Amino acid sequence: GAVVSQHPSWVICKSGTSVKIECRSLDFQATTMFWYRQFPKQSLMLMATSNEGSKATYEQGVEKDKFLINHASLTLSTLTVTSAHPEDSSFYICSARDAGAGVNSPLHFGNGTRLTVT
Amino acid sequence: AQTVTQSQPEMSVQEAETVTLSCTYDTSESDYYLFWYKQPPSRQMILVIRQEAYKQQNATENRFSVNFQKAAKSFSLKISDSQLGDAAMYFCASCTGTASKLTFGTGTRLQVTL
Repeated sequence: GAVVSQHPSWVICKSGTSVKIECRSLDFQATTMFWYRQFPKQSLMLMATSNEGSKATYEQGVEKDKFLINHASLTLSTLTVTSAHPEDSSFYICSARDAGAGVNSPLHFGNGTRLTVT
Repeated sequence: AQTVTQSQPEMSVQEAETVTLSCTYDTSESDYYLFWYKQPPSRQMILVIRQEAYKQQNATENRFSVNFQKAAKSFSLKISDSQLGDAAMYFCASCTGTASKLTFGTGTRLQVTL
C-alpha cells in the first residue's frame, strides 16, 4: 500500500529556533500534500495545502511566514516552523494523495510529528 | 464551507457487541465524499470506510458499515462484533469533489470493554 513517511516523529526545540518537518511519499507521486495540526484531544485542523512546484495555499488564520511550506518535488513536502514558540507545540500530520489515482482517491497519512517548544 | 459534527465525545461498547457512532455534516456542494478515520494511540490516521455522496448504497468494509442519510446529512458508522483493537479515536470527515481537502469532525473516543 501507499506509504507516507514523516520525519522526525518527535522533536524538542528551544524557543526562537526553527524546525523543519519532512513529508515523503515513498511509493507514489504526490502533486498535492496537506498539512494538519492536532492539539491534544482535539481534531485535525488543516493548515495548508502544499502544491508541487507552486506556492502553498494557507487556511484562514494560518501565518504563512510562520509556517513555511516547500513542495519542491513530487515526493517531498516540508513544513518549517520558524521562530518557534511554546504555543506552536502540537502534533503535526501530513497527508498525500497519489497523483495517479484520481483527485478523489483516499489520502495517505504520515505518522505525525510531535513538536515541543521549550 | 463544509462542517462536520460529531456529538458523541466518548462511547463505550462491550467486546463482540455492536456500536454506532454518529456524524452529521453540512455542505453546499453536490459532489462530495464522506470518510471515517480511526486514530489509535499511535496517532496514525487509518481510513476505515469511504462513501461517495452520489451512491445510494451504504458502504461496507467487513465489520464496519455506514448509514448514509443524504437528505438528513447524516453519516453514522456501525461497528459490529467489536474487538479490543477497535478502541481508538474515530473521526468523521468530508471533502468536496473539487477542493479535495478533508474537513474533520471533533472525534469520538471509543472504548471497548471485556
